[in-house]
Amino acid sequence: GQQVMQIPQYQHVQEGEDFTTYCNSSTTLSNIQWYKQRPGGHPVFLIQLVKSGEVKKQKRLTFQFGEAKKNSSLHITATQTTDVGTYFCAGRSGGYQKVTFGTGTKLQVIP
Amino acid sequence: NAGVTQTPKFQVLKTGQSMTLQCAQDMNHEYMSWYRQDPGMGLRLIHYSVGAGITDQGEVPNGYNVSRSTTEDFPLRLLSAAPSQTSVYFCATRAGGANLGELFFGSGTQLSVL
Repeated sequence: GQQVMQIPQYQHVQEGEDFTTYCNSSTTLSNIQWYKQRPGGHPVFLIQLVKSGEVKKQKRLTFQFGEAKKNSSLHITATQTTDVGTYFCAGRSGGYQKVTFGTGTKLQVIP
Repeated sequence: NAGVTQTPKFQVLKTGQSMTLQCAQDMNHEYMSWYRQDPGMGLRLIHYSVGAGITDQGEVPNGYNVSRSTTEDFPLRLLSAAPSQTSVYFCATRAGGANLGELFFGSGTQLSVL
C-alpha cells in the first residue's frame, strides 16, 4: 500500500531560524496537502498542491511539489513561536478517494 | 455551523468493553473518514465513506466497524476494546466530486483502554 514518510521527526530551532520538513511517497501522488496541528488540537489544512513542480507561498511558508509528484517540502522562513506544532503532509494516489498522511514533523521554536 | 462534531472528547474503557465514537457533520460533505493518531506514527486511516450506504477499509481497520446510514453521521464502533486501541481518534470530512479539497477535522476523542 501507499506509504508516506516525513523527515525529520522532530526539529528544534531558535526563533528566527529557518525550518524545512520533507515528505516522500512510495507512489506517485495525484495531489499533496499540508496540515498543521497545534499541541492538543486537531489538524488544520494549510494548502494543496496538484501540479508537478508546483511552488506556492503563504507569507513565510513555501510549499513545493516535486517534478515526479512523489515528494514535497514545506519551508518556513524566520520561524516564530506561533509556528510551533506538528506539520503533516497528506497525499492521494490515482483515483483513490482515501488520503494517506505522513508521519509528521514536530517543530519546537525556542524563544 | 458546527462543522464536524465528535463525541465524547474523552473515554476510558476496560478491555473487552464496547463503545461507539460519534461523528456528525453539518457541511453536507459526501466523504467522511476516521483516523487514529499515535505518537511517531502520524494519522492512520481506519475506515472511510464516500456517501451514505458506502464504506471501505483504510490502513488499520481491524477491531473497528463503521456504517453510514445518513450523510451527516459516521459512527465508529469498537466491539471489544483492546489496550492497542488506546489512541486519539479524529473524524474528518471532505466535499466530494472531482475537486477533492481539504479535510475538515473534528476536535478528537482521546480513548484509553485499560
